[in-house]
Amino acid sequence: SQQGEEDPQALSIQEGENATMNCSYKTSINNLQWYRQNSGRGLVHLILIRSNEREKHSGRLRVTLDTSKKSSSLLITASRAADTASYFCATDGVNSGGYQKVTFGIGTKLQVIP
Amino acid sequence: DGGITQSPKYLFRKEGQNVTLSCEQNLNHDAMYWYRQDPGQGLRLIYYSQIVNDFQKGDIAEGYSVSREKKESFPLTVTSAQKNPTAFYLCASSIGRIWGPQHFGDGTRLSIL
Repeated sequence: SQQGEEDPQALSIQEGENATMNCSYKTSINNLQWYRQNSGRGLVHLILIRSNEREKHSGRLRVTLDTSKKSSSLLITASRAADTASYFCATDGVNSGGYQKVTFGIGTKLQVIP
Repeated sequence: DGGITQSPKYLFRKEGQNVTLSCEQNLNHDAMYWYRQDPGQGLRLIYYSQIVNDFQKGDIAEGYSVSREKKESFPLTVTSAQKNPTAFYLCASSIGRIWGPQHFGDGTRLSIL
């Protein structure tokens, strides 16, 4: 089963509005990362937040982490048409074989309408 | 410019054929990874390598093989044993500690003829 699961699976907003995506996970983590993927392209790393951090900013991006609820959110403020992409969270953890790995969620598909 | 180059962008496989996907990086990264992406699913890890001449199986290694003879290169072979190979394949690398922020190539889309 997926470690990280994004919600909603799809989101459509008008340009200029804020977009919020959520990620929930099941087991304890050291770090949580957010990535963006444009259609037909590779993923691009956006931001990494450590388990002892609660909030992190990068430009128009704001990421929060609540380890007690095992959830994170990605907020994109003042969205632009160029923000149209799929957004993935990636959580690290120890799998059943006892080794650490990163697991990607299914993603949130964001459409920003000009 | 530094980055990861995957080739070819599109690849077609015939029944019973092995095909090799290329992944080259000039970022001087130690760790490299191969993922498979299917529609509506997240990325699934096929293989990863932390150093030259060493690699580990991921979650879905069956039907795939890799080599890591050079730091810059991590080719993936999709063998005839992989019965459902149609997917988007992504190669990634990360600096230093494994599982840090990953840099991705632009993928290879593999289809069956």
